[in-house]
Amino acid sequence: SQTIHQWPATLVQPVGSPLSLECTVEGTSNPNLYWYRQAAGRGLQLLFYSVGIGQISSEVPQNLSASRPQDRQFILSSKKLLLSDSGFYLCAWRASGRNYEQYFGPGTRLTVT
Amino acid sequence: DQQVKQNSPSLSVQEGRISILNCDYTNSMFDYFLWYKKYPAEGPTFLISISSIKDKNEDGRFTVFLNKSAKHLSLHIVPSQPGDSAVYFCAASGIQGAQKLVFGQGTRLTINP
Repeated sequence: SQTIHQWPATLVQPVGSPLSLECTVEGTSNPNLYWYRQAAGRGLQLLFYSVGIGQISSEVPQNLSASRPQDRQFILSSKKLLLSDSGFYLCAWRASGRNYEQYFGPGTRLTVT
Repeated sequence: DQQVKQNSPSLSVQEGRISILNCDYTNSMFDYFLWYKKYPAEGPTFLISISSIKDKNEDGRFTVFLNKSAKHLSLHIVPSQPGDSAVYFCAASGIQGAQKLVFGQGTRLTINP
């Protein structure tokens, strides 16, 4: 069966500090990978998605970036965090092909102070 | 431009009764719809989906209805149980941008004993 991991679970970072969130998927090959953010009381905002190694599509212009160095690894980064980057960050995967279902990781709660 | 809308931010239902969560969409190119359930501080969990070639899909206590002419879908939970208390998101996708899901803002369902 497939498993998706995210870490860390919680993170408190000062404004201007860098960020690196990691997501890995087990039990599948060549998945589509996604980063979402849920701000307090809001819905799920798609930030980035990737259909393969090194292939990143950005949905929202901002100071975040994403990378996919390996088939089942997806990393969300920032060089300098803003207060507005606070939120709940979710990684998700989808089997490549026709299926639309995405499966989410446990999330990372980021607080920028 | 919010393509998927959940107009009720919250819903309260008595245990054992039916819960009905609604979702409207504007993009006629959407052809696949999903419902997710989310507990606080956790990632969303996939519940049930429906293709536009159907108007109903059932899985245990959960049934999703699709009315394409009205661009409306609903999730019925019967009977409602205390563990159903969560935030429910509807999502949509289509042939265009098949890798992506567009989420509604979510409805918080509370089941009262």
